[in-house]
Amino acid sequence: EVQLVESGGGLVQPGGSLRLSCAASGFTFSSYWMHWVRQAPTKGLVWVSRISGDGTDTAYADSVKGRFTISRDNAKNTLYLQMNSLRAEDTAVYYCARDPCPNGVCFLDYWGQGTLVPVSS
Amino acid sequence: DIQMTQSPASLSASVGDRLTITCRASQSIGSSLNWYQQRPGKAPNFLIYAASILQSEVPSRFSGSGSGSYFTLTISSLQPEDFATYYCQQSHRTPYTFGQGTKLEIK
Repeated sequence: EVQLVESGGGLVQPGGSLRLSCAASGFTFSSYWMHWVRQAPTKGLVWVSRISGDGTDTAYADSVKGRFTISRDNAKNTLYLQMNSLRAEDTAVYYCARDPCPNGVCFLDYWGQGTLVPVSS
Repeated sequence: DIQMTQSPASLSASVGDRLTITCRASQSIGSSLNWYQQRPGKAPNFLIYAASILQSEVPSRFSGSGSGSYFTLTISSLQPEDFATYYCQQSHRTPYTFGQGTKLEIK
């Protein structure tokens, strides 16, 4: 059974840092692209970042570029999101999601339950 | 960035109704269009990829169509568990933008 379990969320002050983790199980982690998607309270889904299976190819939304870093440890089957210089507008539930991207057709087929990051003083 | 626009933003319908949600891209994205369902307080569920291919275990009352910049999600006969918010997402080019969502409510 595919499972994605996020952790690391919690209250952080503006300007602070946080690292989110996403523990994966039930599939060959290194074979999949992985994404972070966030959702502010009562708002829609916003794509944040993605990383290739071997970790060499990354991409970011403009709103987080230069502040957030996506990475992965395939030996530990874990995805990370290092978030620095946090702002109030980064307040959201953060989801990790798996992307099989077979033959270049990409989609997010499994999602974690999300972890809440409130940014407030 | 590619902008995704869904319509309507919200919709009231009854069990058994047929309805269609539309999603437009600001530029051509081929068939790189996915649909997700999200129930309140839950993570999104993946429904359709490549505009029209149903994920396994998704009921056949769901269908997707379109290509280029115009796409639709149709539910042929609404069931109580279908009342949720639906999102389209383009995977043609990063950033993989989502539509703003369509909230489906019970009439």
